[in-house]
Amino acid sequence: AQSVTQLDSQVPVFEEAPVELRCNYSSSVSVYLFWYVQYPNQGLQLLLKYLSGSTLVKGINGFEAEFNKSQTSFHLRKPSVHISDTAEYFCAVSRNTGNQFYFGTGTSLTVIP
Amino acid sequence: DAMVIQNPRYQVTQFGKPVTLSCSQTLNHNVMYWYQQKSSQAPKLLFHYYDKDFNNEADTPDNFQSRRPNTSFCFLDIRSPGLGDAAMYLCATSRDGSTSWTDTQYFGPGTRLTVL
Repeated sequence: AQSVTQLDSQVPVFEEAPVELRCNYSSSVSVYLFWYVQYPNQGLQLLLKYLSGSTLVKGINGFEAEFNKSQTSFHLRKPSVHISDTAEYFCAVSRNTGNQFYFGTGTSLTVIP
Repeated sequence: DAMVIQNPRYQVTQFGKPVTLSCSQTLNHNVMYWYQQKSSQAPKLLFHYYDKDFNNEADTPDNFQSRRPNTSFCFLDIRSPGLGDAAMYLCATSRDGSTSWTDTQYFGPGTRLTVL
């Protein structure tokens, strides 16, 4: 079985400060990793995903994430956040066989002016 | 704009009274998904359609059914809602799906179900 752990349920950060949202997964097989964002009253949308290749993945809105196989992590980072980044962020994992797609419980990012 | 639409956004039903949630898409995607998201929990995949092929997650209760009459529409039927079924229900689509879960999923805004 797989699980996804988002260690922080809430992250407040001041505008223009850097932020890191943490995600760890458990799996004994190769996985695919995703970060989705949900703005208030909107559906989830993809920020970025890791399928293979370079472990540093760049996404939309200046976000990036690094796949670390030895630490089974896929942390999301942004060097300078904006008020508009206030949202719920979900890490997710899937694998290349079977009907399995798992989300984490989400991290609520609040950017403080 | 191409999108995923869920109606209604808020649904109230009574304990044991069947309810149907709707999802439509203008993306012409092959795959449609239904997720259940309870308060402060992760969205949980209930089932998905790859074209007309229905795929049920092993732990999805029998109380939950789905229909996909055509490419654009997918319905979630809850035959006898219990209090524990109160949640946000998310519909999503992806272009292909094939046998690996690498595709980007496109989500609707969700329907919040209240069971009285």
